[in-house]
Amino acid sequence: GQQLNQSPQSMFIQEGEDVSMNCTSSSIFNTWLWYKQDPGEGPVLLIALYKAGELTSNGRLTAQFGITRKDSFLNISASIPSDVGIYFCAGQWTGNQFYFGTGTSLTVIP
Amino acid sequence: DTGVSQDPRHKITKRGQNVTFRCDPISEHNRLYWYRQTLGQGPEFLTYFQNEAQLEKSRLLSDRFSAERPKGSFSTLEIQRTEQGDSAMYLCASSFGGETQYFGPGTRLLVL
Repeated sequence: GQQLNQSPQSMFIQEGEDVSMNCTSSSIFNTWLWYKQDPGEGPVLLIALYKAGELTSNGRLTAQFGITRKDSFLNISASIPSDVGIYFCAGQWTGNQFYFGTGTSLTVIP
Repeated sequence: DTGVSQDPRHKITKRGQNVTFRCDPISEHNRLYWYRQTLGQGPEFLTYFQNEAQLEKSRLLSDRFSAERPKGSFSTLEIQRTEQGDSAMYLCASSFGGETQYFGPGTRLLVL
């Protein structure tokens, strides 16, 4: 199945730093979702985006739906140790399946 | 309702055995999805239901895989004659209307 390109693949940052990651697709999507997954657990929804250009925040997290509808980015401000995990983007064209990115692994060094 | 639940959380089986996993979605959600996730990859779509109807199946879903949602509530995913390549995390998600999906904790399958 189709997978979206996420970058970077992994990040090692100091606690307190800001983080930026993005997701690109060759296809247009109508919905973008961002998830965080801890080892051995299912993905947890962070932010949902439904409109091109939309900018949405959830606490220290901010995500944007790219105006081309082929990309999205996620920013985390003032990172803390519990931000550690793998972040996945997911895009949807119609109300059916979502296509997931390859993930960005985040490590926060105290 | 506390979210999507899956059972069992872990399953170890021998090659050739059949396994069945259960998913209980969020109660008011009419759509239920099954995904498979291997190490280092994002979830890959397998199939989805709207109420009790199975509306879409991925080509990843070989004929050894079958999914049901008989009453439009919980769903089961069965894998027959398991192979080592079936080892993965099997994730269930549910949604209302097909937009925002909420995942369960997953069932991790190991085929020896």
